[in-house]
Amino acid sequence: DSGVTQTPKHLITATGQRVTLRCSPRSGDLSVYWYQQSLDQGLQFLIHYYNGEERAKGNILERFSAQQFPDLHSELNLSSLELGDSALYFCASSDPGGGNEQFFGPGTRLTVL
Amino acid sequence: EDQVTQSPEALRLQEGESSSLNCSYTVSGLRGLFWYRQDPGKGPEFLFTLYSAGEEKEKERLKATLTKKESFLHITAPKPEDSATYLCAVRGAGSYQLTFGKGTKLSVIP
Repeated sequence: DSGVTQTPKHLITATGQRVTLRCSPRSGDLSVYWYQQSLDQGLQFLIHYYNGEERAKGNILERFSAQQFPDLHSELNLSSLELGDSALYFCASSDPGGGNEQFFGPGTRLTVL
Repeated sequence: EDQVTQSPEALRLQEGESSSLNCSYTVSGLRGLFWYRQDPGKGPEFLFTLYSAGEEKEKERLKATLTKKESFLHITAPKPEDSATYLCAVRGAGSYQLTFGKGTKLSVIP
């Protein structure tokens, strides 16, 4: 158990809908990263938040957005969903004063029908 | 742009048959090379971080090594419970996110 929690574990929805994925980092970690994993693309970085502020964006679609709250949990919002958005979504957290290691949560499996 | 290529894509070993997984990378200013293990439908589990050429790390039957262009994950006398996908990732200078390879799916047959 990495100490990173994600909810829900599974999400099934229809095209055009909007969903919110939630992540709680390990105790003491200030950074939260979101990654998307699909069968053909592997793990792709989406966005990084540090202590409530956006720090970096990867290949994140404009339909996707994220935020990190004062209690350091983070939410990833996906809107106008398409079939191709079906994937595993992981968040990871890291220690601000330690090494570079990122610890991953169990993921949310999103299925868009 | 940072790039990571892992080979082979899949590897089948008999229990006890040692082998190595390869991770080739290009990165601007390496700030860390990472190995993770991922079981189906689960999140990646951190294994090792390597920072500089010549560095080695070991954990049970796994040993990771690093050169200026490659990293190897050596698996000695594997057991069926070592079956998983092994992911390699790099962090470059000026960024905190990881760039991942597509992984090597290891199957260890009893």
